[in-house]
Amino acid sequence: GQNIDQPTEMTATEGAIVQINCTYQTSGFNGLFWYQQHAGEAPTFLSYNVLDGLEEKGRFSSFLSRSKGYSYLLLKELQMKDSASYLCAGPLGDTDKLIFGTGTRLQVFP
Amino acid sequence: GAVVSQHPSRVICKSGTSVKIECRSLDFQATTMFWYRQFPKQSLMLMATSNEGSKATYEQGVEKDKFLINHASLTLSTLTVTSAHPEDSSFYICSARSTSGVSYEQYFGPGTRLTVT
Repeated sequence: GQNIDQPTEMTATEGAIVQINCTYQTSGFNGLFWYQQHAGEAPTFLSYNVLDGLEEKGRFSSFLSRSKGYSYLLLKELQMKDSASYLCAGPLGDTDKLIFGTGTRLQVFP
Repeated sequence: GAVVSQHPSRVICKSGTSVKIECRSLDFQATTMFWYRQFPKQSLMLMATSNEGSKATYEQGVEKDKFLINHASLTLSTLTVTSAHPEDSSFYICSARSTSGVSYEQYFGPGTRLTVT
């Protein structure tokens, strides 16, 4: 089976750094996605990790450890517009399906 | 590139009626499209996988006779909610996987907000 867990909610201050964790248990693994979703909108792609390590893209970075079944999304220099839900998702085995975690609602305060 | 559109963006219908939602890949071909449902403050739940030229495969607990999916071409999939009930009110999102590019990456449509009165 497949199970993906994330914290439900997080808060942070503008300009700060926040780390959103994701743990997964899966019978197969082909990488991990992070998506950002603002309320009432569709998810937008942030990152895709298939190998262990940290991948950096501007203010956002994503880390993966396959042996630990663990990933995190790191957001630096937080801005108010970063207030959104962040979804961790993994492919289900060798299928094309994506299984989404519960999502983490991040609120950034001034 | 990799733009997916959905139509309509919002729809209100009466209980017992049917509603069709279209999902189109605008600048790429998609042999596979996916339909998700999202309730408020919850994550995306996969409803079904739509394959061009063949029958859709539904996730456990999703009624295939209620949620009719047709994937008639490489750029269009439709979801028809039949005999809609208030509990079907939700945010429906489609995604498409390109026939090229990163495996498993899906491009999401903007979503359709369905309200059944």
